[in-house]
Amino acid sequence: DVKVTQSSRYLVKRTGEKVFLECVQDMDHENMFWYRQDPGLGLRLIYFSYDVKMKEKGDIPEGYSVSREKKERFSLILESASTNQTSMYLCASHSPGTVTYEQYFGPGTRLTVT
Amino acid sequence: AQTVTQSQPEMSVQEAETVTLSCTYDTSESNYYLFWYKQPPSRQMILVIRQEAYKQQNATENRFSVNFQKAAKSFSLKISDSQLGDTAMYFCAFMKPGSNYQLIWGAGTKLIIKP
Repeated sequence: DVKVTQSSRYLVKRTGEKVFLECVQDMDHENMFWYRQDPGLGLRLIYFSYDVKMKEKGDIPEGYSVSREKKERFSLILESASTNQTSMYLCASHSPGTVTYEQYFGPGTRLTVT
Repeated sequence: AQTVTQSQPEMSVQEAETVTLSCTYDTSESNYYLFWYKQPPSRQMILVIRQEAYKQQNATENRFSVNFQKAAKSFSLKISDSQLGDTAMYFCAFMKPGSNYQLIWGAGTKLIIKP
């Protein structure tokens, strides 16, 4: 089974702090995604990576950056956390070779910025 | 731009009943994929069912089936013989081929199965 893990389930940070959210997948998937999930808004794509060191902006990249130095690891960075970044963050991975186009998700990190 | 609309923020039904979750989408594409994902409380999001737009036959996975109406741009999920474990957030999602596998998501429907 594909396993996607995220470094923390719950995180509380202060305004202005630099925050790192890490995601690791164990199935050698090329594609990895970071989403933000807010009530009533569904999931919104922050960044997408299709290979090591390759990234593309999603719909809401402002205030975020990403890093993918190894294929299995995709990090989301909040350079200077703000209260409006309080949210649930979901990581997902996907292999273009699959016929189902299924994305596999981590358990999520609920981030609170105070 | 593609959009996905789930008009039911929350639904509840009794165990063993059948429930239908609605999803409509807007696209000018003719070839695309549609998905229903399930997010149980405090658990990971998982794929429930998917549908290719070029297939007329509605997808079925055990107790889960879809009613795909391409002309109406409607993609509803039917859960038969609902179980307590079906309690979850359900998200409808759209993917256009060639979009780097990016998904456009609906806002979600919270489904509660009552004993």
